[in-house]
Order: sequence, then structure tokens, then C-alpha cells
Amino acid sequence: QVQLVQSGAEVKKPGSSVKVSCKASGGTFSSYPINWVRQAPGQGLEWMGKIIPMVDVAIYAQKFQGRVTITADKFTRTAYMELSSLRSEDTALYYCARDAGAAAGSAAADYWGQGTLVTVSS
Amino acid sequence: QSVLTQPPSASGTPGQRVTISCSGSTSNIGGNFVSWYQQLPGTAPKLLIYSNNQRPSGVPDRFSGSKSGTSASLAISGLQSEDEADYYCAAWDDSLNGWVFGGGTKLTVL
Repeated sequence: QVQLVQSGAEVKKPGSSVKVSCKASGGTFSSYPINWVRQAPGQGLEWMGKIIPMVDVAIYAQKFQGRVTITADKFTRTAYMELSSLRSEDTALYYCARDAGAAAGSAAADYWGQGTLVTVSS
Repeated sequence: QSVLTQPPSASGTPGQRVTISCSGSTSNIGGNFVSWYQQLPGTAPKLLIYSNNQRPSGVPDRFSGSKSGTSASLAISGLQSEDEADYYCAAWDDSLNGWVFGGGTKLTVL
């Protein structure tokens, strides 16, 4: 059974950076893209980007281009999401989610981490 | 403002059938597959439907999805109290080159 375990909650100052980890157990890590999705308090879901560990290629949502970096370490089966130049609007629950391996052009993720709360406050 | 449009709320009584709509455009729903997620309070989203109408193993067949043109729908039959949750549609968007979500629909079981 695939399980994604994320790092703990973070409190950051505006202008700083945060790096959240997502460690996978079970299943095949490299074959499935890992997505990052965030959810501001009381708000909906927002996709930030994804990485394909097998080829180490990441793509990012236009909104976060230049501010987000998604990486993966195949050996430790861990994906990372780093968000820089933090502002108060970045306060949210950040989830990692494994692609379901459905057809191309699909926005399906079948395994999700528990979420990491990032609070940006001065 | 979400790229995909969902009604903010829906409701039904136990045993009833409810549908939740999701409207998009040719760059997302019109040309790609739609997924649906259920999010219970305080938990991570759960994949309910992928590829427009496919259910992952373990999802009851009370949940079904459909797509027509640039719109999609999630139907829940035999509504149960545990179905009370937020529901999100999602699709790949060719113009934005990424996933897009609906704003979510809060389902209340009366």
C-alpha cells in the first residue's frame, strides 16, 4: 500500500522560503509523478506543479513560476516542494499527491499525503 | 476565481440522488479527462472518479461521473449522511499547462 508522509508544520516570516518534504513508502516511486496541491484556510484546491521522478522533470503552474521548485530524490523516495518569497497569502495546507497513472491529460491523484500547514506571519 | 465552475452548495435527503455540475472550456474539460475528489472535513482529498467516469477500487458504485462537451457532472445516488463533504472537479488545462480545479461544492445531507 502506498503511503505519503509529509514533514511537519512550519511558521515562516514574509520574504523567507519553506521546503516541505513528502516521503513515499510502498509502490514504485519513480514511475508516477508527484503533484503538489495547496489549500488556503476555508478555500479550494490549487495545483502548484508536479515532478516525474524517473526523468527528474518538473512542471509548474504559471502562477508559481519562478517562486516554486519541486525536486525528487529517487534513492530516499522523497519529493520536495520549496516555495520562496513567502507572503501571508501563502498560508495554506500543502499536500503532495501521487498521480494515479491514468490516461495522459488527466488530473487524477490516488494517494495523498496528510498535508503540511505552512503559516506565514510576521 | 476558479477556472472550472461548480455550484457552491448542494443538498439532498438520505436515499435521494444528487448531481453536481462542473463547467469549463475547450482547453480543459472539452479536450481532457475530468476527475472528481471528495474532501471530508479535516482530511485530504480522496479520488472518487477519474477519466470522466472511472471509479478507483473501493469507491462505491453510488458515485458516477459523466462528461459532455465542456461540462461534467458527478452523480451520487442513495445519498448517505457520510457523503456530506466538499466535492471538487479537476482537469488538465492545455492553455495553462497544468491542473485546474473547480471552486468546490459543499454537499449537505439534510
